[in-house]
Amino acid sequence: GNSVTQMEGPVTLSEEAFLTINCTYTATGYPSLFWYVQYPGEGLQLLLKATKADDKGSNKGFEATYRKETTSFHLEKGSVQVSDSAVYFCALRSGATNKLIFGTGTLLAVQP
Amino acid sequence: DGGITQSPKYLFRKEGQNVTLSCEQNLNHDAMYWYRQDPGQGLRLIYYSQIVNDFQKGDIAEGYSVSREKKESFPLTVTSAQKNPTAFYLCASSTGQEYTGELFFGEGSRLTVL
Repeated sequence: GNSVTQMEGPVTLSEEAFLTINCTYTATGYPSLFWYVQYPGEGLQLLLKATKADDKGSNKGFEATYRKETTSFHLEKGSVQVSDSAVYFCALRSGATNKLIFGTGTLLAVQP
Repeated sequence: DGGITQSPKYLFRKEGQNVTLSCEQNLNHDAMYWYRQDPGQGLRLIYYSQIVNDFQKGDIAEGYSVSREKKESFPLTVTSAQKNPTAFYLCASSTGQEYTGELFFGEGSRLTVL
C-alpha cells in the first residue's frame, strides 16, 4: 500500500543553520507529493508540492525535489529562522482523489 | 474571510458519552475530510465526503459517524464505541474536482475523555 516515512524528530537547529528533513515514500503509479506545516496550536497549511518526477516545489525559502529514482522528497532550507519552528508533514496523493496519506511529522525547533 | 471553522476548540467528555465536533467552511469546496492526529502517528483519515449527501470511510472510521446534509457543514460524532477517543481532530476541505491535493485545514478540536 501507499505510505510515507519521515525522519523522526525533534530536529533542533540554531538560527541560520541549514535544514534537511528526509521523506521517502512507497506508492503505486505516479503520486503527487506535498509538504505541510503545522505551527503551534494551528491546523496544517500547504507549504509546497510537486506533481511529477524531477519537479521542484518551493515556498518561503523551503525547497523539495521529487526524486523518483530514490522515491524521496526531502525538505530543505538554507537558513532557518526561529519563526520556522513547527511540525512538518510529508504527504502523498495517489490516483484521482484528494485523499492524502501523511507521514508522522517532524518537529523542528529553531533556537536564537 | 474564507476558511474553515471548527468548534469547540477544547472538549471534555465522560466515558460513554457521544460528542459532536462541528466543522463549517465558506470556501465553497465540494470535498471535506476529518483527520485524527495522535503524537507520533501523524494524521489518519476518519471519514471524507466528496459531495453533499455522500461520504466514505477512511482508515479509522470505527467508532465515528458523520453527515453531509449541507455543502458547508461536515460534523463528526465521536461515539461511545470509539475505544480511545482522546486526540486532536482536524477538519479539512478541498475543491475536490481538480484533484490538486491541496487541503485547507481548520485549527482543530482537542477532545479529552475523562
